[in-house]
Amino acid sequence: ETGVTQTPRHLVMGMTNKKSLKCEQHLGHNAMYWYKQSAKKPLELMFVYNFKEQTENNSVPSRFSPECPNSSHLFLHLHTLQPEDSALYLCASSQDRGGKGNSPLHFGNGTRLTVT
Amino acid sequence: AQKVTQAQTEISVVEKEDVTLDCVYETRDTTYYLFWYKQPPSGELVFLIRRNSFDEQNEISGRYSWNFQKSTSSFNFTITASQVVDSAVYFCALSEAYSGAGSYQLTFGKGTKLSVIP
Repeated sequence: ETGVTQTPRHLVMGMTNKKSLKCEQHLGHNAMYWYKQSAKKPLELMFVYNFKEQTENNSVPSRFSPECPNSSHLFLHLHTLQPEDSALYLCASSQDRGGKGNSPLHFGNGTRLTVT
Repeated sequence: AQKVTQAQTEISVVEKEDVTLDCVYETRDTTYYLFWYKQPPSGELVFLIRRNSFDEQNEISGRYSWNFQKSTSSFNFTITASQVVDSAVYFCALSEAYSGAGSYQLTFGKGTKLSVIP
């Protein structure tokens, strides 16, 4: 059983819908991340939270809105998405990111998002 | 800027063969960290190994071994006596030392899809 749980596993939404992706980690980590994985592309870092504070926003369009109410939970709120936003969205956590960049990331299974 | 190149997009081997997955990286830092992750069909990326730039010792873990060569900026991964369960996409990644300016980045390669045929 993974220490990082993502729901839902699959999501199909229209361009006018509003939906949210949820991530929960049971590892006692302090940093959480959203990554986007598209076909034929490297994983793209979207957002980083450290101790609930957003510390990285990698030029992500405003139609993606993250929320981190505590160190164990991370949400990605979606609205008015485009078909090109269809991808696998992966959540990850790590012990910290204030160290020397060597804390390995622990990933969830991802949410497979399809925008129609 | 940092970059990770996995030139092999897809590899197929017959079960019990050895296979090496290549990873070449670029970075200006003298302190950095290299990682390998495995992504099985279930989607979750599984952490396999972390190596810091000051430790060039090769590592072996069961059927897995890693060859870190700073001179050629490579961090290759070998699976010995491959098994069907090894079929997955494997990602090499690089992170530079945290600069304290909010610039922490873990850069992934595009991945190599390994298929082990029974």
